[in-house]
Amino acid sequence: NAGVMQNPRHLVRRRGQEARLRCSPMKGHSHVYWYRQLPEEGLKFMVYLQKENIIDESGMPKERFSAEFPKEGPSILRIQQVVRGDSAAYFCASSPGFRNQPQHFGDGTRLSIL
Amino acid sequence: DQQVKQNSPSLSVQEGRISILNCDYTNSMFDYFLWYKKYPAEGPTFLISISSIKDKNEDGRFTVFLNKSAKHLSLHIVPSQPGDSAVYFCAASAGGSQGNLIFGKGTKLSVKP
Repeated sequence: NAGVMQNPRHLVRRRGQEARLRCSPMKGHSHVYWYRQLPEEGLKFMVYLQKENIIDESGMPKERFSAEFPKEGPSILRIQQVVRGDSAAYFCASSPGFRNQPQHFGDGTRLSIL
Repeated sequence: DQQVKQNSPSLSVQEGRISILNCDYTNSMFDYFLWYKKYPAEGPTFLISISSIKDKNEDGRFTVFLNKSAKHLSLHIVPSQPGDSAVYFCAASAGGSQGNLIFGKGTKLSVKP
């Protein structure tokens, strides 16, 4: 499967724990985006990364959330001290970074907070 | 403030007929527009896109129309098939998709046999 790979597909955490969501972009794509979808809502942009760089984090909550895209390995979205309001579907997308090339999405990680 | 609006939460169409999904936007800086289809428990699947220098783009059964003066775009599916039943999201970007996408809330399309 050459598509965007996200894992885990489902993640259950208790309040106060940490959640780590992983995303491997499509082959040949060097740009990664994270989005969050709440029930009955559209996807909301969180952060845009290239290898080892955060390009735009304007959609990231100021506290508890961080993202990275290291030189080797997948992109990681990390949520510390999770709260019930963090329950959502988190989608990763990738693109080659050229103008007017679409972003392609993974199947998401559904995060549930107990 | 919603910059991308899909005012119809749902649409029901008979198989073989045309489906027309609509999307309005407010930000005149948007220059690239996309439509995605989404099934439950899956990620959005890219369908078709259009840049602001065009007013129409066609790919098989899917055609997207862009009316910049009205800040309106639409997706036409002809002929509609039961497998097209899904939630359709309109998305827009300023910066030709290199930046973040702004999504509408989606329209649920049901195509009845």
